[in-house]
Amino acid sequence: DTEVTQTPKHLVMGMTNKKSLKCEQHMGHRAMYWYKQKAKKPPELMFVYSYEKLSINESVPSRFSPECPNSSLLNLHLHALQPEDSALYLCASSQARTGAGNTIYFGEGSWLTVV
Amino acid sequence: QKEVEQDPGPLSVPEGAIVSLNCTYSNSAFQYFMWYRQYSRKGPELLMYTYSSGNKEDGRFTAQVDKSSKYISLFIRDSQPSDSATYLCAMSLGLSNQFYFGTGTSLTVIP
Repeated sequence: DTEVTQTPKHLVMGMTNKKSLKCEQHMGHRAMYWYKQKAKKPPELMFVYSYEKLSINESVPSRFSPECPNSSLLNLHLHALQPEDSALYLCASSQARTGAGNTIYFGEGSWLTVV
Repeated sequence: QKEVEQDPGPLSVPEGAIVSLNCTYSNSAFQYFMWYRQYSRKGPELLMYTYSSGNKEDGRFTAQVDKSSKYISLFIRDSQPSDSATYLCAMSLGLSNQFYFGTGTSLTVIP
């Protein structure tokens, strides 16, 4: 079983709704990520938090707002999304340091449909 | 040129076959190499992780890295229908927060 837990597993929201995706990891990792994945495509990086600070924002529209309340938790707040934002949203974590053992672990994903 | 190239397939094999999945890359600084298995509508699951060149075996899976050719492979022996999934390769420089993914290869193992 994955040690990165995401909720909810499925979400349907209207274009005027506000919702949040949640992620939790208990591996002691200090880097956490949000990726977006469309069908038959690789994961596409959205945000990276390193030691609870936002370190990478890949020019993601402001309708996506990340939050890292502590080293184990990561949220993605969603507001006024478009139908083209429908995708699998993946949370991931890794050790936030150089050297051996740096690999990335994914959660099972939150499948988002915008109607 | 993309950092990581992976043949998308689809690849279809009979049960019990040996499967070979491959990725090539352009950045010779990559040091860490990963293979993920992804079932439909689920997150990628880490299968194998290797550092630098060489082979690593885990049960029916063998990961191979040839840094001189900038080429990595995943071999699956005695393939099973439950191996039917998309396989993603990924690489990193050894620096934190930077991971590069292939596009994934879709594999179907026919009973």
